[in-house]
Amino acid sequence: AQRVTQPEKLLSVFKGAPVELKCNYSYSGSPELFWYVQYSRQRLQLLLRHISRESIKGFTADLNKGETSFHLKKPFAQEEDSAMYYCALSGRGGSEKLVFGKGMKLTVNP
Amino acid sequence: DGGITQSPKYLFRKEGQNVTLSCEQNLNHDAMYWYRQDPGQGLRLIYYSQIVNDFQKGDIAEGYSVSREKKESFPLTVTSAQKNPTAFYLCASSISTLNTEAFFGQGTRLTVV
Repeated sequence: AQRVTQPEKLLSVFKGAPVELKCNYSYSGSPELFWYVQYSRQRLQLLLRHISRESIKGFTADLNKGETSFHLKKPFAQEEDSAMYYCALSGRGGSEKLVFGKGMKLTVNP
Repeated sequence: DGGITQSPKYLFRKEGQNVTLSCEQNLNHDAMYWYRQDPGQGLRLIYYSQIVNDFQKGDIAEGYSVSREKKESFPLTVTSAQKNPTAFYLCASSISTLNTEAFFGQGTRLTVV
């Protein structure tokens, strides 16, 4: 079965502090991992995906298959990063459905 | 104006009545999804469709039904069998279910009284 776990529901930091949003997954096949973000009063949207290996808005995420993790990191948080963040997984070799974690609310204080 | 549209934004129904939520996309996407979003629960997958005339149950399909007769449309019916239907419902679409970006609608808030 596909499962995504985001162990923390809330994270509050000050501007300029590093942030790490944790995501662990369970999947027997080859996983495809994503981070989605929902800013206040906006639609849920893709932030980044592991296969592209790019940095978006200063965020990066590395897929660690040994630890089955896909943590989202940013070295210096900005106030505009305040949002709900969801880790998501789809996969090859299985049902190929897109499943999400429970989400984490990041608040960046001035 | 391309995108994915859910209607209505707010919906009220009496207990015991079936209700259908609309989801339309003009992105020419093959895959479409329905999620339920509850506080503290994240997004839970109700149904998904990889291609027209085909759909699969998600993790919480009981009490819901869908159809995919047209590529651009994926309506969700919340039946009277759904024990706790009051929730925020999100529809999404993507080119396929394999490692492609999902685009989300604005959502429909259903309240059953």
